[in-house]
Amino acid sequence: SSELTQDPAVSVALGQTVRITCQGDSLRSYYASWYRQKPGQAPVLIVYAENNRPSGIPDRLSGSRSGNTASLTITGAQAEDEADYYCNSRDSSGNHLVFGGGTKLTV
Amino acid sequence: QLQLQESGPGLVKPSDTLSLTCTVSGGTISSGSYYWGWIRQPPGKGLEWIGSIYYNGNTYYSPSLKSRVTTSVDTSKNQFSLKLSSVTAADTAVYYCARHCSGGSCYSAFDYWGQGTLVTVSS
Repeated sequence: SSELTQDPAVSVALGQTVRITCQGDSLRSYYASWYRQKPGQAPVLIVYAENNRPSGIPDRLSGSRSGNTASLTITGAQAEDEADYYCNSRDSSGNHLVFGGGTKLTV
Repeated sequence: QLQLQESGPGLVKPSDTLSLTCTVSGGTISSGSYYWGWIRQPPGKGLEWIGSIYYNGNTYYSPSLKSRVTTSVDTSKNQFSLKLSSVTAADTAVYYCARHCSGGSCYSAFDYWGQGTLVTVSS
């Protein structure tokens, strides 16, 4: 079982804002990273170190953290945002990595 | 532009050892700033971290797979490899290689990924 918990599915209307969450005790100590994965493709890093975006990722995607919960917020959802989203972080040991179970976002 | 490419057999028999190699191009695997990792994804399921290796051979493995996993690095070929022993049908998955920071706030961030390779365990 995953040490990071995500809702299996979330939906959002076109142009609206949606928050995808990731819960886990290790998130009190370590930052989460977020990935977007579309069918048949490798995951793409979209947010890391809580709220940093790699080059080319639009600023309508943002990350945050509160307590044991990391969140990915998508502002002004577009059809292209429909995908699976995964969080990951260190586990409680600090050296190992763990992924959340993933959230399927429907726009 | 950094590129990673997995290679290896697409079909492995139960109880055999799965062996994959990741070739890195456009950058050096000997950079002290990064770990090189393996992640897998069973069909229709989520991502699972398998393990990561540093250029000097330092490794971290998922506790759930540790007893069956071995990774190695060949800096002369700019490659790193994965071996998973005693495979079963449950090990059928797309296997990805990827890079992440060696420490600090970006440690968990896999920023470059290979395209993935499907490995099926079947007799």
